[in-house]
Amino acid sequence: GAVVSQHPSWVICKSGTSVKIECRSLDFQATTMFWYRQFPKQSLMLMATSNEGSKATYEQGVEKDKFLINHASLTLSTLTVTSAHPEDSSFYICSAVTGGGLGNQPQHFGDGTRLSIL
Amino acid sequence: QKEVEQNSGPLSVPEGAIASLNCTYSDRGSQSFFWYRQYSGKSPELIMSIYSNGDKEDGRFTAQLNKASQYVSLLIRDSQPSDSATYLCAVPIRAGGFKTIFGAGTRLFVKA
Repeated sequence: GAVVSQHPSWVICKSGTSVKIECRSLDFQATTMFWYRQFPKQSLMLMATSNEGSKATYEQGVEKDKFLINHASLTLSTLTVTSAHPEDSSFYICSAVTGGGLGNQPQHFGDGTRLSIL
Repeated sequence: QKEVEQNSGPLSVPEGAIASLNCTYSDRGSQSFFWYRQYSGKSPELIMSIYSNGDKEDGRFTAQLNKASQYVSLLIRDSQPSDSATYLCAVPIRAGGFKTIFGAGTRLFVKA
């Protein structure tokens, strides 16, 4: 149980393109999902907390107009990197919690999306 | 002081040995503690959860929790080369709702 699917797994695109990443909870409902970014050999960096039916909560320093998050259903959250540039190239990972969204439950991660902007 | 601290390593152990990974946390009110394994280029996967003081065993893995010392550890018995990965300690803290703080991770190398 607690499977999180993330798509696509790899994206290569030109500078200026907008890229959408999907995160789905396959066998449970996730009122809360999280989006992380990870650069090579660095730790996870939380970008934002995605709440179903409401606006996402962004971490300090993360541009909400650059990284658009939509959590329209209990099983789907999307992250759109708008007008992506080479410095946005990174490994993006989503996660979700079971247990009705209680934050003290473990997070279950998607497989991640490797984004390369040329 | 960082909220969740881990020795970054790398920790190198021979195959068959016990690997000991340590983590300290700053929020005395924390009640849940998690260990994740992350292979290079992959996303983290949950390997252990612990909520009560003492030891919790699952196969070759043992998590140990000492809330008085604000310390949680992960022991890997009979280490295998396939255990070579980065191990992340994660602790939810109260910040409005809950927010999970991840340690920077300890890189483990198991030498064949």
